[in-house]
Amino acid sequence: DIVLTQSPVLAVSLGQRATISCRASQSVSISSINLMHWYQQKPGQQPKLLIYRASNLASGIPARFSGSGSGTDFTLTIDPVQADDIAAYYCQQSRESPWTFGGGTKLELK
Amino acid sequence: QVRLKESGPRLVQPSQTLSVTCTVSGFSVTSYHVSWVRQPPGKGLEWVGAIWKGGSTDYNSALKSRLSISRDTSKNQVFLKMNSLQTDDTGTYYCAKHGIETTGIPTHYFDYWGQGVMVTVSS
Repeated sequence: DIVLTQSPVLAVSLGQRATISCRASQSVSISSINLMHWYQQKPGQQPKLLIYRASNLASGIPARFSGSGSGTDFTLTIDPVQADDIAAYYCQQSRESPWTFGGGTKLELK
Repeated sequence: QVRLKESGPRLVQPSQTLSVTCTVSGFSVTSYHVSWVRQPPGKGLEWVGAIWKGGSTDYNSALKSRLSISRDTSKNQVFLKMNSLQTDDTGTYYCAKHGIETTGIPTHYFDYWGQGVMVTVSS
């Protein structure tokens, strides 16, 4: 199975940039298609799609969210961080089944 | 408007079978794939399995021997059955719709999720 590794916690100040990383145990790209996706989950709620195929903003998601990366290293950036962004963030790969998620990064306020 | 809603028992006894229903609206299960994802309390997400729009299935190999996913296209419902439940199967079970494929390469991300059903395995 492809293992996705995320840092458990990231502390940021409001108005600053948050950079959340996800590293895969093997490449999750096919040709130029990067099969990595990002979700936000707030306590007691279901996950919400933020970014698909590494860099495509999902419908209704604010432009302060962006994604980048290829191969094994991917990044979700939130700039600037707002209070409503305090949540857990998960990456997910769909390069091969079973599709796997990272362990999640909790975004906290400094 | 796309909606998914899970329903099922909140409490299941160890060694018994879990049955959860996902009722969808705003799209047809014959037009989009649907997956099940679960989340133990306070932990991360685990993909359980999927039913393709054509009706075939794909299961997480770690759970495959205990799993069955099916559907009723007339009711636009997807069903999850998992047998021989143990305490570490406790968690929230979500159904999720797959996003549209536009690249020619199967992409398999989840653009809409149900609110989930919290299942506790305990005697």
